[in-house]
Amino acid sequence: ETGVTQSPTHLIKTRGQQVTLRCSSQSGHNTVSWYQQALGQGPQFIFQYYREEENGRGNFPPRFSGLQFPNYSSELNVNALELDDSALYLCASSHRQGPGYGYTFGSGTRLTVV
Amino acid sequence: SQQGEEDPQALSIQEGENATMNCSYKTSINNLQWYRQNSGRGLVHLILIRSNEREKHSGRLRVTLDTSKKSSSLLITASRAADTASYFCATVLTDSWGKLQFGAGTQVVVTP
Repeated sequence: ETGVTQSPTHLIKTRGQQVTLRCSSQSGHNTVSWYQQALGQGPQFIFQYYREEENGRGNFPPRFSGLQFPNYSSELNVNALELDDSALYLCASSHRQGPGYGYTFGSGTRLTVV
Repeated sequence: SQQGEEDPQALSIQEGENATMNCSYKTSINNLQWYRQNSGRGLVHLILIRSNEREKHSGRLRVTLDTSKKSSSLLITASRAADTASYFCATVLTDSWGKLQFGAGTQVVVTP
């Protein structure tokens, strides 16, 4: 059984650029969520995908967008990068949608915007 | 604002001692989950406790939930140096589709 894998592990981008982060969910998991974790803080929910549809979104602007593919892997896209977007981006998957299940997290992508 | 708030923010203990951290939240929950994070990497799911449960155990971990006080505690017994990590509580609200709302975490350091 494979876990959640994220790529790349580290990334440096310039303000104003665009970035795409990738996530392969754990085998058998059809729900994927993305979280942003600033240094010294807890993760903040960005959005969640279930069967290729976004079914929940946190307080993030539209320049944060995502996709889920038929194999349940996912992408997080961020346009017009700002310095405050520097953070650890975490992908998490679950085998069922709904409130009663735990999540398996990837190791994250550390994004630095300069 | 964050739904869960952990207390204390930091905890330093010696190997063999017990570590207790608390989490308070504001609104009705479906369940509460505890996660561990080592050195700013991915989170590891420790325990999920549902709103109709009061206590759960997993190995050296014991979690309690008091919905009347909107609080939970995580106890790590006989701590080891490998338990050094940040611990987060995350709530899942009633009528939600599973979104986790995290607190700021408790940083635990266990010295040999």
